[in-house]
Amino acid sequence: DAMVIQNPRYQVTQFGKPVTLSCSQTLNHNVMYWYQQKSSQAPKLLFHYYDKDFNNEADTPDNFQSRRPNTSFCFLDIRSPGLGDAAMYLCATSRDLTRGNQPQHFGDGTRLSIL
Amino acid sequence: AQSVTQPDIHITVSEGASLELRCNYSYGATPYLFWYVQSPGQGLQLLLKYFSGDTLVQGIKGFEAEFKRSQSSFNLRKPSVHWSDAAEYFCAVGGRSGGGADGLTFGKGTHLIIQP
Repeated sequence: DAMVIQNPRYQVTQFGKPVTLSCSQTLNHNVMYWYQQKSSQAPKLLFHYYDKDFNNEADTPDNFQSRRPNTSFCFLDIRSPGLGDAAMYLCATSRDLTRGNQPQHFGDGTRLSIL
Repeated sequence: AQSVTQPDIHITVSEGASLELRCNYSYGATPYLFWYVQSPGQGLQLLLKYFSGDTLVQGIKGFEAEFKRSQSSFNLRKPSVHWSDAAEYFCAVGGRSGGGADGLTFGKGTHLIIQP
């Protein structure tokens, strides 16, 4: 009964070829996050959606974009992947924060390789 | 800006021995603190969280953590580790900033090795 589901688990793309990673949730959470985790490093927040409001971190490259067509789904688009974008990408969700900060629930991640 | 420091990159513990993983944070207001565990190739699983109230919090898998405001610390403990506890452990701090959700700021992680 996975609650945050990321597809695919492993993605291989070519240098410069656009790629999309997907995340779906069954928790009906308001907030969805995307993190990038490079090898042996901590996850780093790229951006998040609070309902339909998109919030980009200041240092997230323009190459990274996101879409959230509905509550359940969120996509990470990398327009022109470079070798430095090879990483694990983690999706997370949390509840409406107006009731207080709630823990984030993570998916198992998508490991992206760039050829 | 908020930050988290996990001073130990690797820790090796014998199976059955006690464990303490250190975490220090920097945050301008009352922090929300978390410990997550990550097995190889997996996502992050929440072990425990501190929002307010009792400074000693209990989590899953027999873990506990103690919030010490005076030391800006939130150390994770377990009285007796099992081989299955071998993993990467991340301490994280989160909060709210005007009108929106905050992502988590993670420490760099501590890699726990269990020896027989």
